[in-house]
Amino acid sequence: GIQVEQSPPDLILQEGANSTLRCNFSDSVNNLQWFHQNPWGQLINLFYIPSGTKQNGRLSATTVATERYSLLYISSSQTTDSGVYFCAAESSGAGSYQLTFGKGTKLSVIP
Amino acid sequence: SAVISQKPSRDICQRGTSLTIQCQVDSQVTMMFWYRQQPGQSLTLIATANQGSEATYESGFVIDKFPISRPNLTFSTLTVSNMSPEDSSIYLCSVKTSGSKINFGPGTRLLVL
Repeated sequence: GIQVEQSPPDLILQEGANSTLRCNFSDSVNNLQWFHQNPWGQLINLFYIPSGTKQNGRLSATTVATERYSLLYISSSQTTDSGVYFCAAESSGAGSYQLTFGKGTKLSVIP
Repeated sequence: SAVISQKPSRDICQRGTSLTIQCQVDSQVTMMFWYRQQPGQSLTLIATANQGSEATYESGFVIDKFPISRPNLTFSTLTVSNMSPEDSSIYLCSVKTSGSKINFGPGTRLLVL
């Protein structure tokens, strides 16, 4: 099946700093999503982005499907951005919405 | 988008017992899934809950251990059977919403002693 790798595994930021999280996947995808798991365990869907670029406030994401990677940008980070960010992908040959998750990037934003 | 609730939110169980987790969605959804997140780990898909037919299980997960019901388009249950400490995890229900996003319920935190 598809392999999903995220980097870095851990990231510590000063409040106000910017960051880029990366997700590499091993196969062509028809579904790529980014999630944020807050410290209480709730998973929030940030983006559905199999290709192209999307922005939502301080967050934006870009997926370059031909090169098999996606990037999540966080600008002007806040302490509430802390948590784990997961990338999840479904290969083009897989069944419907059977997402494979990466191991995540644990982000800590310190005041 | 769909609002998903799960019951119980957490539980502590004795080994050898079973626990049934409920997932309720406030609108009809076609695709519903169950995931497991072991402590400090990523999410792993257990199965796709199919309305009116047996669930479709992923490699490493079997119906005898994780029986699933999906009686209608807004509700599903996952049972964790004959539990052992290795089953201690967060169990999450998720649904496909309009626009192809996958949204998750708040999860059920299970500790098996």
